[in-house]
Amino acid sequence: NAGVTQTPKFQVLKTGQSMTLQCAQDMNHEYMSWYRQDPGMGLRLIHYSVGAGITDQGEVPNGYNVSRSTTEDFPLRLLSAAPSQTSVYFCASTYKDGPNEQFFGPGTRLTVL
Amino acid sequence: DQQVKQNSPSLSVQEGRISILNCDYTNSMFDYFLWYKKYPAEGPTFLISISSIKDKNEDGRFTVFLNKSAKHLSLHIVPSQPGDSAVYFCTPSTGGGNKLTFGTGTQLKVEL
Repeated sequence: NAGVTQTPKFQVLKTGQSMTLQCAQDMNHEYMSWYRQDPGMGLRLIHYSVGAGITDQGEVPNGYNVSRSTTEDFPLRLLSAAPSQTSVYFCASTYKDGPNEQFFGPGTRLTVL
Repeated sequence: DQQVKQNSPSLSVQEGRISILNCDYTNSMFDYFLWYKKYPAEGPTFLISISSIKDKNEDGRFTVFLNKSAKHLSLHIVPSQPGDSAVYFCTPSTGGGNKLTFGTGTQLKVEL
């Protein structure tokens, strides 16, 4: 079991560029989510999904898109990167029906210049 | 409006002593409370949890206490070990652990 994997580990973008952060899990979890962590703060929920074809917004969704075409994958898209999106991004997964703990990936450190 | 407050950004304890990490929350809809531990350059890992219908949960060296009337949560680690040095996040949730709300974290340092 690889658990939750994220690629890339590091990325530098210029303002206005687009990119996709990849997230995959091999635990057959229905629920997947994306968080961002900024210095001195806890993680904040960006988007989440309770199953293939179903996504919803979290606390800080602006500037990000997601889709869920398979159970395993949950990519996060930045359509036009801004310096305010410089952060560390974590993907997580768990079973849909709680109570359950979420399993987190190792994170992607993104810098937008 | 911070729903979850961890008022101690850092805590230093000696090896073998008790570490007590505190957390206060405001949202009465939280129904499941989790603690996550995070090492630098890694994702958070689950440590221990407690349901809103309980007031204590114990797992080895870790015990979580919940006081619903005071909206207060605490994590006790005893005895503390150097490997416990990490950032600890108090993470209440709605929906049984799905939509997590993270506190700002407490950096625990266990010294020899």
